[in-house]
Amino acid sequence: QKEVEQDPGPLSVPEGAIVSLNCTYSNSAFQYFMWYRQYSRKGPELLMYTYSSGNKEDGRFTAQVDKSSKYISLFIRDSQPSDSATYLCAMSVSGTYKYIFGTGTRLKVLA
Amino acid sequence: DAGITQSPRHKVTETGTPVTLRCHQTENHRYMYWYRQDPGHGLRLIHYSYGVKDTDKGEVSDGYSVSRSKTEDFLLTLESATSSQTSVYFCAISESPSGAGTGELFFGEGSRLTVL
Repeated sequence: QKEVEQDPGPLSVPEGAIVSLNCTYSNSAFQYFMWYRQYSRKGPELLMYTYSSGNKEDGRFTAQVDKSSKYISLFIRDSQPSDSATYLCAMSVSGTYKYIFGTGTRLKVLA
Repeated sequence: DAGITQSPRHKVTETGTPVTLRCHQTENHRYMYWYRQDPGHGLRLIHYSYGVKDTDKGEVSDGYSVSRSKTEDFLLTLESATSSQTSVYFCAISESPSGAGTGELFFGEGSRLTVL
């Protein structure tokens, strides 16, 4: 079993929809959680960084962490065609070098 | 944007030849990482550095070596390239003020390597 599981998609939604992207994990020691956006042939770009459980909002993006369920989510409101990309979740443990990544979910927002 | 530059951005080489990829940062971050990204596998850690001359192996380090002689530069070397090392290589940096694994990870634009 992988430490981090992420549905690869692709996920297609109409413009303006609310998008929900999710990752589950098995290691209860993870403390730091990240979401990245990666456009084709580009490097991953950090969108959200959270510590422990709870919600964090930044513009149209909301990151949610539920440590009791070992489940993290990224919500995108009012999705735009420019949001079409692959979204990667990542998590880490204090005191180790390990950042563990999901394999990414491909999102396509249709105009 | 984090100041991370990777070079070369694209390279085609032949099996058995040595290859060196360079990562240069202008952020003075302590931690630097080399990842490879392959379809179905996501990002996998090759090597990382926690300071000048301080490096260690990641999960897919066989066939790779690294060096860090200055804070700003982290080199990844394939001593004798093989076709299985065809991949996209990403450098990442982190300040991690509270210790390893605690800071945001910022990525470069990637180096696309093809080994024929």
